[in-house]
Amino acid sequence: DAGVIQSPRHEVTEMGQEVTLRCKPISGHNSLFWYRQTMMRGLELLIYFNNNVPIDDSGMPEDRFSAKMPNASFSTLKIQPSEPRDSAVYFCASIRPGSGYYNEQFFGPGTRLTVL
Amino acid sequence: AQSVTQLGSHVSVSEGALVLLRCNYSSSVPPYLFWYVQYPNQGLQLLLKYTTGATLVKGINGFEAEFKKSETSFHLTKPSAHMSDAAEYFCAVSLSGNTGKLIFGQGTTLQVKP
Repeated sequence: DAGVIQSPRHEVTEMGQEVTLRCKPISGHNSLFWYRQTMMRGLELLIYFNNNVPIDDSGMPEDRFSAKMPNASFSTLKIQPSEPRDSAVYFCASIRPGSGYYNEQFFGPGTRLTVL
Repeated sequence: AQSVTQLGSHVSVSEGALVLLRCNYSSSVPPYLFWYVQYPNQGLQLLLKYTTGATLVKGINGFEAEFKKSETSFHLTKPSAHMSDAAEYFCAVSLSGNTGKLIFGQGTTLQVKP
């Protein structure tokens, strides 16, 4: 299996621009998580989906952030407009179905976002 | 509420020395506990996990961790550090329910000196 795929791996943009990060979970996995990692705040859960439905978006920092999962094999995290404080590494992770709360999350390689 | 505390944001050991990374958790229900490792410029990958049963859990790359309920701890150890162990290590606790959601500690960066 190819693992969790994220694109782009690196993104540099200017303040005010729209940014879209993409994630393809492992085939057959039915839960998907978006995280943000910074030196100051560590690893933060932004939102997660179960069977393509957003379950908990309490970690989304503000209305500039939105996430969608139109089907089981694709999810996007959008920032509009972007700000320098959004600079971070964004990870996507997926988990297989029926695993309860003791199973492993599989992480993608991350997208390093720099907002100038 | 469940939470995780990792003691020490940076740990430095010499190659061949014992590695000990500390993790304490807070949970109102029996916890499921995890250690993940993050190598530079990579995503997190699972080292080991405790669910039920044996409290001493063995993971990949020679790491192991022991669940101690009385101490609410899940410390990670390795008898002999290797240069390739240099990475960031995260302890995590799973929330109750069937969501797969994890609460991560702040992470500990392990430096291995030659």
